[in-house]
Amino acid sequence: KNEVEQSPQNLTAQEGEFITINCSYSVGISALHWLQQHPGGGIVSLFMLSSGKKKHGRLIATINIQEKHSSLHITASHPRDSAVYICAVHSPRSNRDDKIIFGKGTRLHILP
Amino acid sequence: SAVISQKPSRDICQRGTSLTIQCQVDSQVTMMFWYRQQPGQSLTLIATANQGSEATYESGFVIDKFPISRPNLTFSTLTVSNMSPEDSSIYLCSSMKRKGFMNTEAFFGQGTRLTVV
Repeated sequence: KNEVEQSPQNLTAQEGEFITINCSYSVGISALHWLQQHPGGGIVSLFMLSSGKKKHGRLIATINIQEKHSSLHITASHPRDSAVYICAVHSPRSNRDDKIIFGKGTRLHILP
Repeated sequence: SAVISQKPSRDICQRGTSLTIQCQVDSQVTMMFWYRQQPGQSLTLIATANQGSEATYESGFVIDKFPISRPNLTFSTLTVSNMSPEDSSIYLCSSMKRKGFMNTEAFFGQGTRLTVV
């Protein structure tokens, strides 16, 4: 079982729909990242969370440390939101460098 | 926070050649890392770039294939050597900055899409 699981793997929705992408993890973490990977491969960091909720424009990210779960929401989705969204957790390791573990990503396609 | 500039963003290379990818951070960072994302797979750690010493490689990755340099606290390079089509992937650098006990921030480059023909 992967240490970071995302769902769904693929999501197609109509423009304007409310989108939710989920991330569950099984390791202890100090932070969680949501990344956006554009069709050309470029990667943009959207959020880094260690607790609670963050909002940036139409994007909202939440995390529940006790349940080891995070969600990324997109309100009023638009075709330009089409991308792969990657969840990555920041896992401290005693006496070693911290480790980042990536989920496999959720491929989102917003239809006009 | 820190900003990482990764170059090139993409390249198409001939098999047997080598490509060097650069990452420049706009501030001094403790750790820098290099990842590979093969088609349809998640990002996988190649190695940790240590300033002033040899990189630490993960299982399955070797220095001869992926030599790494880290001459200072703001810069690192990854070379993909003697490339074959199987090396076609996205390569990503990231960095970390310690802010205290159990408190480390991570930053990511933009990724390099490599196609080997």
